[in-house]
Amino acid sequence: GENVEQHPSTLSVQEGDSAVIKCTYSDSASNYFPWYKQELGKGPQLIIDIRSNVGEKKDQRIAVTLNKTAKHFSLHITETQPEDSAVYFCAASTNKHTGTASKLTFGTGTRLQVTL
Amino acid sequence: NAGVTQTPKFRILKIGQSMTLQCTQDMNHNYMYWYRQDPGMGLKLIYYSVGAGITDKGEVPNGYNVSRSTTEDFPLRLELAAPSQTSVYFCASSPNRGTEAFFGQGTRLTVV
Repeated sequence: GENVEQHPSTLSVQEGDSAVIKCTYSDSASNYFPWYKQELGKGPQLIIDIRSNVGEKKDQRIAVTLNKTAKHFSLHITETQPEDSAVYFCAASTNKHTGTASKLTFGTGTRLQVTL
Repeated sequence: NAGVTQTPKFRILKIGQSMTLQCTQDMNHNYMYWYRQDPGMGLKLIYYSVGAGITDKGEVPNGYNVSRSTTEDFPLRLELAAPSQTSVYFCASSPNRGTEAFFGQGTRLTVV
């Protein structure tokens, strides 16, 4: 099955700096790569996603890049703010069979702390 | 819309007891999922459903059961609670394959 590795496990940056989180996946059939943000005591919430036919996607201060050849994708947060402090999860999924759910395989998470 | 609602938020069980974690969504999504989240381990898929009457095992199904009698509800049953089932459980739903999954707030379960 799919295996997703995520690094680093913790990341501390100063407010205004950039943060980069990297993930690799094992299944070359994976074609959907979402990123989730989880605040303390809450469920994960989608912040951005990318599909395999796109190399990069941007949404204001957040961007995701995908390298299908190398099987890795990254989350970039620019101009970080204290409210960006949370745990971030990458995930990958594939829809190999019609009628099956797209089962997300998650990375182990990155705890991002933005300091003043 | 309330989105995905899970109850209870917290529960302490004794070894061998049983319980049902409730999950309901009001977005008319076909796909629903149950995940467990252990510290430093990400989220692991327990069971999923592609529609009413259809369920299938995920990565870690042992010790759990599910049913999907309606589009809205997807309860998770623990029959004989074990300490290894101490975790935070998340229910999620999505409208289609390969689209955003919406998560509930989670249920923190402790088995002692």
